[in-house]
Amino acid sequence: DSGVTQTPKHLITATGQRVTLRCSPRSGDLSVYWYQQSLDQGLQFLIQYYNGEERAKGNILERFSAQQFPDLHSELNLSSLELGDSALYFCASSVGASGRDEQYFGPGTRLTVT
Amino acid sequence: AQKITQTQPGMFVQEKEAVTLDCTYDTSDPSYGLFWYKQPSSGEMIFLIYQGSYDQQNATEGRYSLNFQKARKSANLVISASQLGDSAMYFCAMRGNYGQNFVFGPGTRLSVLP
Repeated sequence: DSGVTQTPKHLITATGQRVTLRCSPRSGDLSVYWYQQSLDQGLQFLIQYYNGEERAKGNILERFSAQQFPDLHSELNLSSLELGDSALYFCASSVGASGRDEQYFGPGTRLTVT
Repeated sequence: AQKITQTQPGMFVQEKEAVTLDCTYDTSDPSYGLFWYKQPSSGEMIFLIYQGSYDQQNATEGRYSLNFQKARKSANLVISASQLGDSAMYFCAMRGNYGQNFVFGPGTRLSVLP
């Protein structure tokens, strides 16, 4: 158990809908990262927050947005969902903002868009 | 742009033998970090090892070592004394210390044979 929690574990929704994925980092970790893993795109970094502020941005679509709250939990919002958004979404956390910091991954949220 | 190449889609190794998983990278960042992650069939992502581009020595973590050859832009993972539990997908990743973006390779599926 990495100490990172993600809810829900599974999510099934229809095209065009909006969903919110939630992540609670390990106690003491200030950084939260979001990743998408799909069969065709592989593992992709989406975005990083550090202590409430956006720190780095990867291949995140404009239909997706994220935020980190004062209690350090984070939410990833996916809107106008398409079939291609079906994927495993990971959240990870680390102590600091540096790339050197070891990241601890949550179990992931499997999103299925039908 | 940063890119990670893992040329071995699948590898087999006999239990107790050593195995090398290849990773080459491309980046224009003068300073960067290289990572290896393990993803067992259960789906979670597990951090294995980190190498900074200016680190003088190759990184080691228990049975894992990173054969870092900066001039050749390679960061191969060596697993010594393979165990059945090492069977998993292995991902090489990098992060430029300026760009902050994480880039992952396509992964190598390692199967350890009894």
